[in-house]
Amino acid sequence: AQSVTQLGSHVSVSEGALVLLRCNYSSSVPPYLFWYVQYPNQGLQLLLKYTTGATLVKGINGFEAEFKKSETSFHLTKPSAHMSDAAEYFCAVSESAADSWGKLQFGAGTQVVVTP
Amino acid sequence: EPEVTQTPSHQVTQMGQEVILRCVPISNHLYFYWYRQILGQKVEFLVSFYNNEISEKSEIFDDQFSVERPDGSNFTLKIRSTKLEDSAMYFCASKSGTGNTEAFFGQGTRLTVV
Repeated sequence: AQSVTQLGSHVSVSEGALVLLRCNYSSSVPPYLFWYVQYPNQGLQLLLKYTTGATLVKGINGFEAEFKKSETSFHLTKPSAHMSDAAEYFCAVSESAADSWGKLQFGAGTQVVVTP
Repeated sequence: EPEVTQTPSHQVTQMGQEVILRCVPISNHLYFYWYRQILGQKVEFLVSFYNNEISEKSEIFDDQFSVERPDGSNFTLKIRSTKLEDSAMYFCASKSGTGNTEAFFGQGTRLTVV
């Protein structure tokens, strides 16, 4: 069984400040981890993913995330927030098992507000 | 850039009516999914579909739900007798493979049951 916990349903950051969104997961098998972003009235867009290999992964729009197995975490960061980063962000986990059908388990989401 | 398209963007239906939500996945993808997001709640998996059959489904996906891929391009979700609690945003997604491949999501259909 898998689950995802995102700490903080709302985060407010100043433009130019660090963005840090927290995600912890539980999984009985090695996980694949994803961050998706949802802009208003749009679908879910992949920001980045971790599957295997390098634990620090870089994504679009200057975001990156680090997989820490010992902490079961996959926190998302961006050094300097931009107004266009205002959106809802979802962490998700998928099983890596060979017989997995690739479904995603999502966290509850974090709404990011960027203030001038 | 290829994309998943969903129609309609918004559907209002009366309780007890049947609705069909439509999706056109990316053309060379093989794995198809429906998710839903009730307002203020997390995105929940409903069903996965591969090789013209359901490969996995959640507890939410009971007998009132069905999926099919009638013509090799469309992927539909049917809700036979809608309930108020079916009101949600429904997302279709497709993937070229399982596991570590990216799921591409449509823009969603907002279903309102009145």
